[in-house]
Amino acid sequence: DQQVKQNSPSLSVQEGRISILNCDYTNSMFDYFLWYKKYPAEGPTFLISISSIKDKNEDGRFTVFLNKSAKHLSLHIVPSQPGDSAVYFCAAGNSGGSNYKLTFGKGTLLTVNP
Amino acid sequence: DGGITQSPKYLFRKEGQNVTLSCEQNLNHDAMYWYRQDPGQGLRLIYYSQIVNDFQKGDIAEGYSVSREKKESFPLTVTSAQKNPTAFYLCASTTGIHGYTFGSGTRLTVV
Repeated sequence: DQQVKQNSPSLSVQEGRISILNCDYTNSMFDYFLWYKKYPAEGPTFLISISSIKDKNEDGRFTVFLNKSAKHLSLHIVPSQPGDSAVYFCAAGNSGGSNYKLTFGKGTLLTVNP
Repeated sequence: DGGITQSPKYLFRKEGQNVTLSCEQNLNHDAMYWYRQDPGQGLRLIYYSQIVNDFQKGDIAEGYSVSREKKESFPLTVTSAQKNPTAFYLCASTTGIHGYTFGSGTRLTVV
């Protein structure tokens, strides 16, 4: 039972354009959401997060949008750069839990073409 | 610099062998986690520990074992009972829900 779903295994965009990565979740207990970026043979690195009390969080070129009613979040990268090419994982958790467990999606491979 | 160190980076295991993957952190984090990454499968939780001398099974704990004798260390043993151990293994630690710090991973291959 996938509680965090990233339905697009891959996405290809042109340099300078917008990249939009999508994520859906099913567990109503999730109230904290994160995006991680991962290069091959390396550990994921934290990119941006959002709490359920917000619907938008922005950090430079990266913006995460949260639609709680639809149980959907998205990551926007503007403008996209070749160095953004990586696998992006969406993750979700419950801030009220004591174990800080995160559930990850399967990832989306973003390729930014020069 | 604070961080998480996983070793070795590459590990080869023969059929029927147990192998241990090392994970050490100097971030003073209480909680530590082991994830497995397979192509197209994302990150799946194997075991986690919130405090020394205590750990819990994750979603795919069968064939694995862990220990948490020190706050800094959370080694993972892949036993011979794990039928498909070839994967990329990631260790992480945190102080809260705000996000994990990951190690650089260990690639385990059965030969």
